Amino acid sequence: DQQVKQNSPSLSVQEGRISILNCDYTNSMFDYFLWYKKYPAEGPTFLISISSIKDKNEDGRFTVFLNKSAKHLSLHIVPSQPGDSAVYFCAASPVNAGNMLTFGGGTRLMVKP
Amino acid sequence: ETGVTQTPRHLVMGMTNKKSLKCEQHLGHNAMYWYKQSAKKPLELMFVYNFKEQTENNSVPSRFSPECPNSSHLFLHLHTLQPEDSALYLCASSQEGGGGRTQYFGPGTRLLVL
Repeated sequence: DQQVKQNSPSLSVQEGRISILNCDYTNSMFDYFLWYKKYPAEGPTFLISISSIKDKNEDGRFTVFLNKSAKHLSLHIVPSQPGDSAVYFCAASPVNAGNMLTFGGGTRLMVKP
Repeated sequence: ETGVTQTPRHLVMGMTNKKSLKCEQHLGHNAMYWYKQSAKKPLELMFVYNFKEQTENNSVPSRFSPECPNSSHLFLHLHTLQPEDSALYLCASSQEGGGGRTQYFGPGTRLLVL
C-alpha cells in the first residue's frame, strides 16, 4: 500500500499561470516533506521542503503548503514557466527514521508557452 | 566535480554477467543511499549507509550487493540479475544529524538486463 500518493499523473498549465501539484500521505509518523523535480535522463533535483511544525514554506516562485489534519501537501509554482516542465515527486520521512524517504509516483507538469 | 556523480550512465548486461555501479559524492555528506526506479513505479529505497555502516536493507535480493568503503564512495555490485531488474538506479547523499534531512541525487545509471 502506497503511503505517499500523487493522484494526478499529469498536469498541463499555461505559461504565467499557477501550477498546483498535490500529494497525499497516510503515515501519521511522517514529519518532514520534500518536493523534487526530475528532467529526463537526470536525477531528481531538490526543490523545497517543509517540516510538520510549519504549514507553509516559500522559496521564490515555489511555495509548499502542508495540511496535517488532511494529510495533504501541495506545491504551488507562480508564475509557471516552460522550463518548469518536468516530473515532480513529493517525498516524506518519519520522525523516527529521518533519512528513510518514501516517494510518491510523480506528476508530469507541462507548461505551455 | 560537484554534487553526486554516478558511473556508468548506461549499462547493458546479460544475466550471467557481474558488473558494478559507482557513486561518488563531493558534498561532504555522511550518509549515502541506493534507490531503484522501475517504469511506472515510485522510487524505491534499496540501501542506506550512515557513517559508512549499512543501516537499512529494504528487503533487496542478494544479487544486489552494496559496498561503502568511505563516506564519499558507494558501489552497487550486480551479479546474476534478472530482466525485471532493468531500471534506473539512483544514488543519493545527505548530511545526517544537525537537522539535515534533504537527500541530493546523482544522475542515475540506466540498467538493461538481457
